Amino acid sequence: EVQLVQSGAEVKKPGESLKISCKGSGDTFNNYWIGWVRQMPGKGLEWMGIIYPGDSDTRYSPSFQGQVTISADKSISTAYVQWSSLKASDTATYYCARYGIQGWGIDHWGQGTPVTVSS
Amino acid sequence: QSVLTQPPSVSGAPGQTITISCTGSSSNIGAGYDVHWYQQLPGTAPKLLIYGNISRPSGVPDRFSGSRSGTSASLAITGLQAEDEADYYCLSYDSSLSGSIFGGGTKLTVL
Repeated sequence: EVQLVQSGAEVKKPGESLKISCKGSGDTFNNYWIGWVRQMPGKGLEWMGIIYPGDSDTRYSPSFQGQVTISADKSISTAYVQWSSLKASDTATYYCARYGIQGWGIDHWGQGTPVTVSS
Repeated sequence: QSVLTQPPSVSGAPGQTITISCTGSSSNIGAGYDVHWYQQLPGTAPKLLIYGNISRPSGVPDRFSGSRSGTSASLAITGLQAEDEADYYCLSYDSSLSGSIFGGGTKLTVL
């Protein structure tokens, strides 16, 4: 069974840094693109970017370029997204997702990591 | 505003049929990129409903069907059930953005 297990909920203050993770089974990661998706409270899904853990090829949505850093460690089948200085507007649930379908389709999702940024 | 446009809400009575549209442009759906559909129940991660425009993963009832034509795609749900009440999203690829794009989402209410 394919599993993407994300790190737990976070509560941070504005200006703090954060790195959240997404761990998958070995075959899940090294041969597939892994994406990150933001969902702000009560809002829709927003594509942030993707990474291919096999060679760390990374692509960002123009809306998130420079705002976050996506990385991966293929040796432990884990992908990450990090912020160097959080803002209140980063409050959202973040999902990782596996692109396992031809035609840039997502077939499996992590359970989501809620992030709250508040002073 | 999303690159893929969906109606914010649709509703129908149990047993009825509804359709949700996903309208794009020549750089995404109109360019031939596949459309995929997801169902998101409250408080849960999205779930794959339709992939490759028309295909259903195993376990998804055949009440759910997808289609694509020109710069648009549609999701149809026949025989509406109370458990279908959820948010629905389309997903495709956009060549001008060089990445994936989601529709804005449609909230389905079963009356």
